[in-house]
Amino acid sequence: DAGVIQSPRHEVTEMGQEVTLRCKPISGHDYLFWYRQTMMRGLELLIYFNNNVPIDDSGMPEDRFSAKMPNASFSTLKIQPSEPRDSAVYFCASREGTTYEQYFGPGTRLTVT
Amino acid sequence: RKEVEQDPGPFNVPEGATVAFNCTYSNSASQSFFWYRQDCRKEPKLLMSVYSSGNEDGRFTAQLNRASQYISLLIRDSKLSDSATYLCVLYNTNAGKSTFGDGTTLTVKP
Repeated sequence: DAGVIQSPRHEVTEMGQEVTLRCKPISGHDYLFWYRQTMMRGLELLIYFNNNVPIDDSGMPEDRFSAKMPNASFSTLKIQPSEPRDSAVYFCASREGTTYEQYFGPGTRLTVT
Repeated sequence: RKEVEQDPGPFNVPEGATVAFNCTYSNSASQSFFWYRQDCRKEPKLLMSVYSSGNEDGRFTAQLNRASQYISLLIRDSKLSDSATYLCVLYNTNAGKSTFGDGTTLTVKP
C-alpha cells in the first residue's frame, strides 16, 4: 500500500506569492495532520482533520494559512501571501481512528525568498 | 515549560555501545506514548510504541514511568545505521492530538 503522498517535494517561491501544498493520505485513514518543522521551533502541528472536517486549527500561524480537505483522499495547505519566515519543511501525516500511530509523508521543503 | 522535553544531545557513541534517552512530559493526561526516528532530511517514522509494562523490539527497549512522568529509550549494541534523531511523542486523548519533542540526536561512530 502506498504511504502518504505529498507534492511538490520542493518549492521555491518569492515573497508575496501563493503557495499550495498537497497531500494524499493513506487509504482508509480518517485522520489527517499538517505539520511544519524548522530548526528553531521543531515539529509543530498546524491543523488536523477527522473524516474531512477540520477539528483543531489552533496551530495555524495566521490568516495567511488555510487548509482544506474536500474528500477523504486529498488535502491542501495554502499560504497566501507567502513570507520568508514561512520557509520550513511541511509534513502531512495520517492515521486510522482506532490507533494513535501517525504515518508521515516525505514532506515539502518550502523556501520563500 | 514545554509539554515534552528531551535532551537534544548530540550523543556520540562508538559502535556496540549502549545508549539511553529520556523524555519528560508535563501533562499527566497524556495517554499514549511513542518513539519516532527521523533521519536527516527525511520524515519522522514510528520506531515503537511505549507501554506501561515496558516493551522490547530487538535491540530497542522502551519504558514508561507515569509516576515520574518520563519515558525512556534504550538502544543496545549500537549500529552505524542507528544514527538519527529520536523524537518522543505523547498522545493526549482529551485533546485528540499528539505532541512531539524536539528530538535527541544520536551519532554512532565506527
